[in-house]
Amino acid sequence: DAKTTQPTSMDCAEGRAANLPCNHSTISGNEYVYWYRQIHSQGPQYIIHGLKNNETNEMASLIITEDRKSSTLILPHATLRDTAVYYCIVRVAGARGTSYDKVIFGPGTSLSVIP
Amino acid sequence: NAGVTQTPKFRILKIGQSMTLQCTQDMNHNYMYWYRQDPGMGLKLIYYSVGAGITDKGEVPNGYNVSRSTTEDFPLRLELAAPSQTSVYFCASSGRGRIYNEQFFGPGTRLTVL
Repeated sequence: DAKTTQPTSMDCAEGRAANLPCNHSTISGNEYVYWYRQIHSQGPQYIIHGLKNNETNEMASLIITEDRKSSTLILPHATLRDTAVYYCIVRVAGARGTSYDKVIFGPGTSLSVIP
Repeated sequence: NAGVTQTPKFRILKIGQSMTLQCTQDMNHNYMYWYRQDPGMGLKLIYYSVGAGITDKGEVPNGYNVSRSTTEDFPLRLELAAPSQTSVYFCASSGRGRIYNEQFFGPGTRLTVL
């Protein structure tokens, strides 16, 4: 199973871009990179995912390096409401050869957006 | 759609008591999951289900049981509560087994065992 490493915490000034890095050097060719976030006391929330190409949606952008060993989540204009723990996750295949959404969450990066 | 709902929101148990955490989703998702989150830690998968009648263990299944008799419901049972089970429990669901499906999480149940 591919594992991920993220910084424990980061700060970002309100209105600036927040760039959250993630290393996944053992990722397999068919594994996706997912990002979730968890605002205090709430359930995690899906942000974005990608395989090889860079992805963008209304919440964020995901930049994956060409060798796929690392990625960066970009929040283009961070607000105070973006203060949360951000989880970088690589999907693993399920038991009995069945692919399913077995997601393993690590400790994540605690992002603090500062006024 | 209400999404994923969990009951109760809070519960205090005494050691040795039993309880069932309820989880319901109204998105017709095949896949459902139970996680626990200890203070300051990431989520750990307890059990999951890929459809009605099918369940399997996750990372930390000891002390828990699940059942999946319908698509909508995935209750988590604690038979003999222990202080080590003090945690926040999240239920989640996702659509058919396409590998890029996102998981939708419920608001959580905060359980304290004294």
